[in-house]
Amino acid sequence: GAVVSQHPSWVICKSGTSVKIECRSLDFQATTMFWYRQFPKQSLMLMATSNEGSKATYEQGVEKDKFLINHASLTLSTLTVTSAHPEDSSFYICSARRPGQGAKNIQYFGAGTRLSVL
Amino acid sequence: AQKITQTQPGMFVQEKEAVTLDCTYDTSDPSYGLFWYKQPSSGEMIFLIYQGSYDQQNATEGRYSLNFQKARKSANLVISASQLGDSAMYFCAMREYFPADKLIFGTGTRLQVFP
Repeated sequence: GAVVSQHPSWVICKSGTSVKIECRSLDFQATTMFWYRQFPKQSLMLMATSNEGSKATYEQGVEKDKFLINHASLTLSTLTVTSAHPEDSSFYICSARRPGQGAKNIQYFGAGTRLSVL
Repeated sequence: AQKITQTQPGMFVQEKEAVTLDCTYDTSDPSYGLFWYKQPSSGEMIFLIYQGSYDQQNATEGRYSLNFQKARKSANLVISASQLGDSAMYFCAMREYFPADKLIFGTGTRLQVFP
């Protein structure tokens, strides 16, 4: 079964509204979680690294005030798309890194959230 | 320069046959990890197999094996006895530790298995 749960799987919102996406690690405590964005027929683009109890580290070109990340517990990270616009429409996918496996530290992914902004 | 290169945008294989998906990587760090993920049309990324840079033997996980050729910096995925359910996008990824600890993904290969 899934070890990372992501909700919602699909969301449609009006331009200007904010949308929150949740990512939960079900099987382990994840000190580090990641948020990716994927455009159609393209690879995953890392948006930010979320560390429990501290500020997220954003990749170059990603607006931190636009994409708010909160990692308040070892099992939950949230991504809030603030004042969403049609260009924010995309597939967002989170992952959690399983600790304690040495160098292996597999990243398990959620099922993704398809955001459509009208 | 691309750190992970997957040169095959699409591959076809007949059911029950084996198929190799290519992946080359570029890093100057001695310590790194290589991963393969499968992404079916549903969108979820499914972990398949891992190879560490110091691992002496090629990784295997059921029908998946990783042909790791360190000197050539290649980490090809071999799927044996292909099944219709193997049809999906396949991504090769490298974990590098410096300057930041993160996975870098290739552009993916779409595999189609036909009867």
